[in-house]
Amino acid sequence: GESVGLHLPTLSVQEGDNSIINCAYSNSASDYFIWYKQESGKGPQFIIDIRSNMDKRQGQRVTVLLNKTVKHLSLQIAATQPGDSAVYFCAEYAGGTSYGKLTFGQGTILTVHP
Amino acid sequence: DGGITQSPKYLFRKEGQNVTLSCEQNLNHDAMYWYRQDPGQGLRLIYYSQIVNDFQKGDIAEGYSVSREKKESFPLTVTSAQKNPTAFYLCASSLAGEGAGELFFGEGSRLTVL
Repeated sequence: GESVGLHLPTLSVQEGDNSIINCAYSNSASDYFIWYKQESGKGPQFIIDIRSNMDKRQGQRVTVLLNKTVKHLSLQIAATQPGDSAVYFCAEYAGGTSYGKLTFGQGTILTVHP
Repeated sequence: DGGITQSPKYLFRKEGQNVTLSCEQNLNHDAMYWYRQDPGQGLRLIYYSQIVNDFQKGDIAEGYSVSREKKESFPLTVTSAQKNPTAFYLCASSLAGEGAGELFFGEGSRLTVL
């Protein structure tokens, strides 16, 4: 999951395994959440999003789970591939006066071994 | 293709110099953002603009300035007042309105102060 400080959480998996990346968010008023993937030296890319009126959403090989009771978000990647190696960020959005303004977590480094 | 273009990709600056990072988008997005990313950390918001000729400070605006004279362009100036400017800078854009949450990112500009 996310952590405070300069050392990012890391997750190492074997190719073909499923990966689960966790994120604890801070604002109970947040109503929209996004997972981003960032490869080294590049900008973040959108993976999947979920609104607070849902607890699960599936994409291609990815699933996001939202537990509002404990303010927890997870990203599941099925059949992880070496190309999935990257830093994964969750982001929360509270709407209202912070319209369009996302708050990002510190990220998790995913390393996939062939 | 539609997207966000940042330039330059790499930039070196001597202490005491101002430098301007360019960000152009052709996605017809109303909102644009500048984030700073330091090693092992998440993204921190510097400035954002929801409409032409208007912008707001983010969480770490000190030592930075922006302008939004055109919808397509949101340049960031890193001034000599920024005490620790070496970082990876990311520009993003989004729709205004209900779909404002998802941000589309550029490929980033890496600034190094010598």
